[in-house]
Formats: sequence, C-alpha cells, structure tokens
Amino acid sequence: DSGVTQTPKHLITATGQRVTLRCSPRSGDLSVYWYQQSLDQGLQFLIQYYNGEERAKGNILERFSAQQFPDLHSELNLSSLELGDSALYFCASSKGLAGKEQFFGPGTRLTVL
Amino acid sequence: GQQVMQIPQYQHVQEGEDFTTYCNSSTTLSNIQWYKQRPGGHPVFLIQLVKSGEVKKQKRLTFQFGEAKKNSSLHITATQTTDVGTYFCSGGSYIPTFGRGTSLIVHP
Repeated sequence: DSGVTQTPKHLITATGQRVTLRCSPRSGDLSVYWYQQSLDQGLQFLIQYYNGEERAKGNILERFSAQQFPDLHSELNLSSLELGDSALYFCASSKGLAGKEQFFGPGTRLTVL
Repeated sequence: GQQVMQIPQYQHVQEGEDFTTYCNSSTTLSNIQWYKQRPGGHPVFLIQLVKSGEVKKQKRLTFQFGEAKKNSSLHITATQTTDVGTYFCSGGSYIPTFGRGTSLIVHP
C-alpha cells in the first residue's frame, strides 16, 4: 500500500460526458502528479501540482483540467470524453518539487463507450 | 522535447536466466528513477540514481547510471517468477518522462 488513494477504481461512461477522478496523496507529500497509461502510449505525464499551485504541464488535452485543494487532495476533470480517452489514470505523490521518488495510487480505469 | 527510450519492449526468459533492460535519454539527466509495475498493479518505486557512473544493488537487481548521465540499465541475476512485470525508467527533473517500459515474462 503506497498511501496514495484514488477513487473511483472503475468508471464507465459514454462519449461526450464529463467525469472527475479524485486523488489523496500520502501524508506529508505536497506534490501530486497525474498520468495516463494506455497500451499503446505507455505512461504519459499529464500535470503536476505542488502545494496547490500548478507546477508542470505535460501532454494534457485542453478538455482535461486538474486542481489541488488546500487539504492537498487533487481532482482530474475529463470532459467531452472520446473513445480514445479510455485508459488507466494514475495519481502519484512525492515530497519535493521535482526529481523525487513518486508513490503511485492504485489507479482509476476509465472506459468510454 | 526530452525523450526516454527503453529497450527491449518485451523479454521472455526461463526462470534462472539473467535479464537486462536499457534506458537511453536524448538529453543529460539530473537523475534517473526505476519503477516496477506488476500485471494489474501500479508502478512501484525501486531506486534513484544521481551520480555519473553510479552503480547500486538491491539483492539480485543491479542498477547503473552512465558516465554521461544519458543512459541507465537494470540487470536482474537469476530471474524468478516474482520478477514478472514491467520495468520503467524515468528521467527529467522538471517534466517526468517515462520510458515505454520493458515487460519481463519469466517461464518456470
């Protein structure tokens, strides 16, 4: 158990819909990272927040957005969903700003029908 | 942008054989991290290498960081079925960049 929690575990929805994925980092970790993992694309970095502020942005689509709240939990919002958004979404947390070991949550499996 | 390439993509071995996966970056890395993801699981941190030419061992696993800090390798001696999974390297101090991973399949 990494200490990072993610909800829900599974999500099945339809194209065009909007969903919210939630992540609670390990106690004491200020950084939260979001990743998308699909079979053909590997582990793709989406976005990082540090202590409530956006820190780094990767290959995140405009239809996706995230935020980190004062209690440090984070949410990833995916809107206007397409079939290609079906993937495993991981959240990870770490103590520092960057370049530190990351602890991954169990992931949310999103299926868009 | 920075790219991290990993080879091979898949590796089948007989239990007891050795295994090596290689990671190459298009740019010099400040550090490199290795993770293992079991089938159906999430990536789990294994180790971080920081210094040029650094070698670290964890039981049967040996990790190396190249002199130029642009490549790294993970070697497993005498594989066991518990070693099955995908091994990822990750570099980039600002934007974490993961390799595509090497999936290790161990045949008993």
